[in-house]
Amino acid sequence: KAGVTQTPRYLIKTRGQQVTLSCSPISGHRSVSWYQQTPGQGLQFLFEYFSETQRNKGNFPGRFSGRQFSNSRSEMNVSTLELGDSALYLCASSSKSPGGDGYTFGSGTRLTVV
Amino acid sequence: SQQGEEDPQALSIQEGENATMNCSYKTSINNLQWYRQNSGRGLVHLILIRSNEREKHSGRLRVTLDTSKKSSSLLITASRAADTASYFCATGVNDYKLSFGAGTTVTVRA
Repeated sequence: KAGVTQTPRYLIKTRGQQVTLSCSPISGHRSVSWYQQTPGQGLQFLFEYFSETQRNKGNFPGRFSGRQFSNSRSEMNVSTLELGDSALYLCASSSKSPGGDGYTFGSGTRLTVV
Repeated sequence: SQQGEEDPQALSIQEGENATMNCSYKTSINNLQWYRQNSGRGLVHLILIRSNEREKHSGRLRVTLDTSKKSSSLLITASRAADTASYFCATGVNDYKLSFGAGTTVTVRA
């Protein structure tokens, strides 16, 4: 079956702009999570959605937001981009909550803010 | 903040040797998972061990969990060049998220 699909793979944005990243989970998976990975902070949890409801949110400023659609696809948005937002953004899906069988990750979106 | 810490940070071994890495965490957990990441790409789920389990095997992988010491270890036997990657432990606490450690970078030399 198809894996977790993240688009786009690479993105270059300018400070102050906003960006929207997309994630399509594995068919049948209703839980979608987002993580930010940077060399300095490692893998940090952003948020998790299940059936269009955000169930948990990490310690990130309000510039980071997300949503999940009825088909379980998810988007995350970062407004007013800062240089420090440059990172690999990873999406993960799971069939059980909370990730009882492990998560399947996408290949990520590498965001560069210049 | 990161829940888990891996040790060592980096490991270099010869092909065919075993690789062992450890993970320590701070709070009670529901499960502990190990992931592999190749060259900054997505993470691949390797194995999940629940808090009531002590050892689990999957192919060349062996994971142990000691909840009294809040630690886990991942053993890769008979390593191959393809095992070169970063390995992360992650803990789950029934709050719909994983808390990752900083990872161990494993290099397998031919």
